Amino acid sequence: GENVEQHPSTLSVQEGDSAVIKCTYSDSASNYFPWYKQELGKRPQLIIDIRSNVGEKKDQRIAVTLNKTAKHFSLHITETQPEDSAVYFCAATKISGGYNKLIFGAGTRLAVHP
Amino acid sequence: KAGVTQTPRYLIKTRGQQVTLSCSPISGHRSVSWYQQTPGQGLQFLFEYFSETQRNKGNFPGRFSGRQFSNSRSEMNVSTLELGDSALYLCASSFEASEQFFGPGTRLTVL
Repeated sequence: GENVEQHPSTLSVQEGDSAVIKCTYSDSASNYFPWYKQELGKRPQLIIDIRSNVGEKKDQRIAVTLNKTAKHFSLHITETQPEDSAVYFCAATKISGGYNKLIFGAGTRLAVHP
Repeated sequence: KAGVTQTPRYLIKTRGQQVTLSCSPISGHRSVSWYQQTPGQGLQFLFEYFSETQRNKGNFPGRFSGRQFSNSRSEMNVSTLELGDSALYLCASSFEASEQFFGPGTRLTVL
C-alpha cells in the first residue's frame, strides 16, 4: 500500500549548521510532495512543496530535492536558527482525478541549539 | 482570508460515547480532509469531502464518519468511543486538489 518513510526521527544541530531530512515514498504515481512544520501545540504549516515535474525548489534557507527514479525527496535547511526547532513532516500524494489524500512520514524532531 | 477553524478545541468523553467535531474551511475551498494525529501513529488520513461527497477514504473503522454541508463546512463523527481514539483531530482545506491548509485541531481525550 501507500507508505512514506522519513529519516531521521530526531535531528540535533548547532545554530548555523545545515539540516537534511530524507523521505522515501512507495507509490510511483505520487506527483506532489509537501513539507510541513509543526511547532509544539500548533497546527502543521506548509513550508515548501514540490511537484514531480521539478527536481529542485528553493525558498530562502529551505530547499527540497526530488529523485523520481529512486522515489526519494529531501528537505534541506541551511543556516539553521533556534526558531527552526520543530517537528517536520514530509508527505506524498497523487493529485489527479480528484485524488487528494496526503500520506505522511512519521516526522523528524529537529532541535537547533544556540 | 480567515484560516481554517475547528470547534471545539478540546473535548473529554468517556468510552462508549459518541462525538461530533466541526471544521470550517477557508472561504472558497471546497475540499475538506480529516486527519488523526497520535504520538504512536503520526498523521493518518481519515477521509476527504468535496462538494458534499466523500471522495477519498483512509483505513479507519466505520465508527468514523463524516459529512460536508453545502457551505463546505464539514463534521466528523466518532461513535462508540474507545480509549485509542484519543488524539488530535486535524482538518485541512484546499482549493480543488492542491496545497492543504490545516486548522488548529480538536484535542479529544477518551477516559
